[in-house]
Amino acid sequence: DTGVSQDPRHKITKRGQNVTFRCDPISEHNRLYWYRQTLGQGPEFLTYFQNEAQLEKSRLLSDRFSAERPKGSFSTLEIQRTEQGDSAMYLCASSLGLAEIPTYNEQFFGPGTRLTVL
Amino acid sequence: AQKITQTQPGMFVQEKEAVTLDCTYDTSDQSYGLFWYKQPSSGEMIFLIYQGSYDEQNATEGRYSLNFQKARKSANLVISASQLGDSAMYFCAMSEMNYGGATNKLIFGTGTLLAVQP
Repeated sequence: DTGVSQDPRHKITKRGQNVTFRCDPISEHNRLYWYRQTLGQGPEFLTYFQNEAQLEKSRLLSDRFSAERPKGSFSTLEIQRTEQGDSAMYLCASSLGLAEIPTYNEQFFGPGTRLTVL
Repeated sequence: AQKITQTQPGMFVQEKEAVTLDCTYDTSDQSYGLFWYKQPSSGEMIFLIYQGSYDEQNATEGRYSLNFQKARKSANLVISASQLGDSAMYFCAMSEMNYGGATNKLIFGTGTLLAVQP
């Protein structure tokens, strides 16, 4: 399967613990996105990487959240000192962005990591 | 700022009938893309169809068509010949065009839950 993969699929943790999620995008995709989806809502943008550079962060991404994409391939999203309000589905998406060709930006999503903070 | 509005929290449709899911949007951008994604109970976001703001013809993909009315800022999804497997959450989304440096993050609506009845 050459789609976007995420690990783990489910994570249950106690409040105050740190958690880390991993996303492996489609191999040739240079753009990677993280979204958060809470129950009954659509996904909300968290952050965006073009290759290894983090180019945009949402105000939703508090200081307890950090994301990396060290070699422009896989990405990690870490949440420190988790709170119950962090419980959500965390979705990763990737796309191929060619700056010299203006076009739409079809994003391919992974299966998500469902986080439950007790 | 971009905004997507989906006013139908839930819809029922009989198998083999057509159904229209409503979506209106708001943006000050001249160039943008409109998307529909399907999210089954498994959680993965599945891309269905895309419409560019400068496309004069409505997009079609198999049983899916997008009824794009630019002056009304609407981008309704039409599913023809509904199948039981179409039962899922449907999200309308938009993004700016993929020019150099643009993030192209997706802005999602709150979704419509479609239930196909036999």
